[in-house]
Amino acid sequence: NAGVTQTPKFRVLKTGQSMTLLCAQDMNHEYMYWYRQDPGMGLRLIHYSVGEGTTAKGEVPDGYNVSRLKKQNFLLGLESAAPSQTSVYFCASGPWITEAFFGQGTRLTVV
Amino acid sequence: ELKVEQNPLFLSMQEGKNYTIYCNYSTTSDRLYWYRQDPGKSLESLFVLLSNGAVKQEGRLMASLDTKARLSTLHITAAVHDLSATYFCAVGAGTYKYIFGTGTRLKVLA
Repeated sequence: NAGVTQTPKFRVLKTGQSMTLLCAQDMNHEYMYWYRQDPGMGLRLIHYSVGEGTTAKGEVPDGYNVSRLKKQNFLLGLESAAPSQTSVYFCASGPWITEAFFGQGTRLTVV
Repeated sequence: ELKVEQNPLFLSMQEGKNYTIYCNYSTTSDRLYWYRQDPGKSLESLFVLLSNGAVKQEGRLMASLDTKARLSTLHITAAVHDLSATYFCAVGAGTYKYIFGTGTRLKVLA
């Protein structure tokens, strides 16, 4: 049982480069989320989706874009990476009201 | 805008002792979640609290929710080393979102 799978697990980018993080879930969940985790700041919501074809902004959306073309996938894009985007990124999915299930995280370093 | 505060941020305790972690939030919500995170790992769901007065227990951990006070507690009974981790509360914001607290890093000393 895969649950929530994030790809890649580690990445180093140069400032100005772009990349896409992939989140895939096999639990048929409607809701999917992207969070970033920084030391001393907990997890902050970047964007979320309440269903296929829908996306919405979270607490810290600037510099990121997302797409949910298929129910099982939620993509997070960085158009022009900045050092401030160095973080650990977590994807999560959930059915309704019950808890969210998290992926293993992607550690991104922007140099 | 919903704000979630946890305290303490760091907690070092002896094995066998009891302690409580607090989670306060600023606006009305009827959903609160507790997660555990081990270093370098993902988040593991511990408790889901969906109503005022809800109490859940699992092993040495017990969580409760007081929606009127906008407060949840995570109580640790007779701590053991294996409980060392970072604990997060997350509060339901609106229908779909979860807002996380900053986390409590717990270290249990032998």
